[in-house]
Amino acid sequence: EIVLTQSPATLSLSPGERATLSCRASQSVSSYLAWYQQKPGQAPRLLIYDTSNRATGVPARFSGRGSGTDFILTISSLEPEDFAVYYCQQRSNWPRGIFTFGPGTKVDIK
Amino acid sequence: QVQLQESGPGLVKPSETLSLTCTVSGGSISSYYWNWIRQPAGKGLEWIGRVYNSGYTNYNPSLNSRVTMSVDTSKNKFSLRLSSVTAADTAVYYCARGLERLGNAFDIWGQGTMVTVSS
Repeated sequence: EIVLTQSPATLSLSPGERATLSCRASQSVSSYLAWYQQKPGQAPRLLIYDTSNRATGVPARFSGRGSGTDFILTISSLEPEDFAVYYCQQRSNWPRGIFTFGPGTKVDIK
Repeated sequence: QVQLQESGPGLVKPSETLSLTCTVSGGSISSYYWNWIRQPAGKGLEWIGRVYNSGYTNYNPSLNSRVTMSVDTSKNKFSLRLSSVTAADTAVYYCARGLERLGNAFDIWGQGTMVTVSS
């Protein structure tokens, strides 16, 4: 079973600053890595799929990169609405079609 | 646009079976994977499993022995059954669509429904 680790657990930043969130997998997940944003009381929202592709309607300040076991979500300049919890998610190749979420990184206002 | 709505009992007794339904509106249930995810209060997301419109399923190995998912294409609905529940199954339960062209990422989510396991 692939385990995802996210760091840091909490990131305290000010609006306008750059946020760099890390997601590490216990073994290679190829490119099937997605990122979600969740605000309190809301369902998660897809931001990034297949490591680096922005979902429909996601602002260009969100970007993803990585490969193998190490992945990064970057928010180039934080807007007030970006303060939320971010989860990475992978889909395993074997056994096929099993999904795992990371524990999340909370981005809060400094 | 496509919307998802979870429904089912908000309270289930220990050892009984939790049953939830997700209704798909504004689009077809065909040709997509349909997922269930849960989130205990204050905690992270846990994928429960998914069902394709053909009835093909994948389940989280940690829940596999207790989970059954099905789809009713005539009603544009899919369902989750989780047996032998305990307090640890108390959570907000979400349904979500998996889109193959997005690497099966979950692009549309329901609002979630809270399920409490208690006698």
